[in-house]
Amino acid sequence: SQTIHQWPATLVQPVGSPLSLECTVEGTSNPNLYWYRQAAGRGLQLLFYSVGIGQISSEVPQNLSASRPQDRQFILSSKKLLLSDSGFYLCAFAGTGVTEAFFGQGTRLTVV
Amino acid sequence: QKEVEQNSGPLSVPEGAIASLNCTYSDRGSQSFFWYRQYSGKSPELIMSIYSNGDKEDGRFTAQLNKASQYVSLLIRDSQPSDSATYLCAVIRRGGADGLTFGKGTHLIIQP
Repeated sequence: SQTIHQWPATLVQPVGSPLSLECTVEGTSNPNLYWYRQAAGRGLQLLFYSVGIGQISSEVPQNLSASRPQDRQFILSSKKLLLSDSGFYLCAFAGTGVTEAFFGQGTRLTVV
Repeated sequence: QKEVEQNSGPLSVPEGAIASLNCTYSDRGSQSFFWYRQYSGKSPELIMSIYSNGDKEDGRFTAQLNKASQYVSLLIRDSQPSDSATYLCAVIRRGGADGLTFGKGTHLIIQP
């Protein structure tokens, strides 16, 4: 069966510190991978998506970046966190084509 | 324009009644439609998908799609307190690689 793992579940980081969130998928090959952010009281915002290794598309300009070093691994990074980066970060995967997406457990990031 | 609109609620429904959730979308190129349920502090969970006009039933849930009116709805029959959550409507445009576009969700409260 297909599963998605995302860690850590919670994270408290000081302003200006780096960030690395990791997501891995099992049970499927060549998935489409996504990073979303959900700020308090707001909807899900697509940050990045990837249709293959090394292929990253950004939806929103910001101080975050994403990488896909392996087929089923997706990493969200920042060199210097801002207070406005706080939120609930969700990794998701979907099969190739027009299919539903499945989410990881999410990472609640608080920048202090 | 990739906009999905939902009434934020809260929508309060007595236990055992039918809950009706609505969603409109602006992109006529959208071709896949989903309903996710999100409990507070948790990641979204897929509950229904619908791809063609009409109704689709799955247990207590019925999704309805009207592409001409750009309208999607979710009916929950025999509402239970455990159905209390935020319901997110999501659409995928033709091609689908850039992921789902979400509405901000409707907060549903089932009153015992």
